[in-house]
Amino acid sequence: GAVVSQHPSWVICKSGTSVKIECRSLDFQATTMFWYRQFPKQSLMLMATSNEGSKATYEQGVEKDKFLINHASLTLSTLTVTSAHPEDSSFYICSAKGGLVHEQFFGPGTRLTVL
Amino acid sequence: GESVGLHLPTLSVQEGDNSIINCAYSNSASDYFIWYKQESGKGPQFIIDIRSNMDKRQGQRVTVLLNKTVKHLSLQIAATQPGDSAVYFCAENIDSGYSTLTFGKGTMLLVSP
Repeated sequence: GAVVSQHPSWVICKSGTSVKIECRSLDFQATTMFWYRQFPKQSLMLMATSNEGSKATYEQGVEKDKFLINHASLTLSTLTVTSAHPEDSSFYICSAKGGLVHEQFFGPGTRLTVL
Repeated sequence: GESVGLHLPTLSVQEGDNSIINCAYSNSASDYFIWYKQESGKGPQFIIDIRSNMDKRQGQRVTVLLNKTVKHLSLQIAATQPGDSAVYFCAENIDSGYSTLTFGKGTMLLVSP
């Protein structure tokens, strides 16, 4: 089956620093990758959609200069949280889909804690 | 029984019972629906999907029912097991071009031995 990995699985950083999270499709080419954020006991909220080689499309209310997304290859997308603050602490989950396949395959998530 | 917590409704059942988790979706134009299971600290796991041209689909121990008239989706789990304890989300596909998913609020299923 299609596997999506994320790295790191958890990260703790100081307020004001930047953190990069990687999302990889291990056995398929992901033409589209999605980034979600999930706060405790809440649902997944889509942050942005990225297609390989083009700029990401951000959802309303998500600051593109704060959450930098790079989808440089068909197997890798990165999310960089710039100048992180405690309110950015959350569970970040990516998903990937390839070609005409409808299904999104989800990564295991990255727990970000900003002190 | 079912209770509503601060953010997440909870359904508590006994092992062996059948569980029914409900979801109201928002867009009558949605044409594809998926149920996901999410265990604590993990990403969502695909359970079963259904297209809008169907009203029922069965998998192994799970059945999804779709009522487009009232925009309602349900997930039935037969012979619920402790390993089924997790949060369950429905998701709807509104933009078929990029398969953008909109997730429902989720229901926590607690299965007691």
